Amino acid sequence: AQKITQTQPGMFVQEKEAVTLDCTYDTSDQSYGLFWYKQPSSGEMIFLIYQGSYDEQNATEGRYSLNFQKARKSANLVISASQLGDSAMYFCAMREGRSNDYKLSFGAGTTVTVRA
Amino acid sequence: KAGVTQTPRYLIKTRGQQVTLSCSPISGHRSVSWYQQTPGQGLQFLFEYFSETQRNKGNFPGRFSGRQFSNSRSEMNVSTLELGDSALYLCASSLVQGPSSGANVLTFGAGSRLTVL
Repeated sequence: AQKITQTQPGMFVQEKEAVTLDCTYDTSDQSYGLFWYKQPSSGEMIFLIYQGSYDEQNATEGRYSLNFQKARKSANLVISASQLGDSAMYFCAMREGRSNDYKLSFGAGTTVTVRA
Repeated sequence: KAGVTQTPRYLIKTRGQQVTLSCSPISGHRSVSWYQQTPGQGLQFLFEYFSETQRNKGNFPGRFSGRQFSNSRSEMNVSTLELGDSALYLCASSLVQGPSSGANVLTFGAGSRLTVL
């Protein structure tokens, strides 16, 4: 079974508008972490935001915020005030359990294209 | 501070050959992980090293191997290359803290793009 599901293969957004990228996850662990990464065409994965399963507040980092709905196992990324440089592939990822193993399970990704 | 450095960035090999990819983590990061990214399978975990020990391994054949040196630099090797090994190989390093710490973020390198002909 897929641990991370991203149902939107591609999205278009107008510059300066907000966009929400969907992510649902599947785990039986009580302790886990959720991550969003951005991958521009250059290939490097850039960390955007992190949400721990026990965090009570939704994470925010500048123009990025994570809409964490634990009961629904959903961790959607919201990008506010989109910029042309936001055009990239976005990946949701999960790290399960309390071990120190740093294995991430990634979703298939969502391609975001920002239009001027 | 320098990021994660991967070499070579691009390489072309033929079937049956072997390849070695190198990764230098961020200074002070002791955990190094490797991922394979292909259009068909997406991002898949290969293995993770900490203090020269492999702590976790993904579901890949034994042709894929790796190691970590005492300075935390890591290499991965793929022997008897197949066409399906063509991929972007990403290395990531992490500062090891408590298991639930938000600081356990993987910082990725730019990747090594391998083409097998």
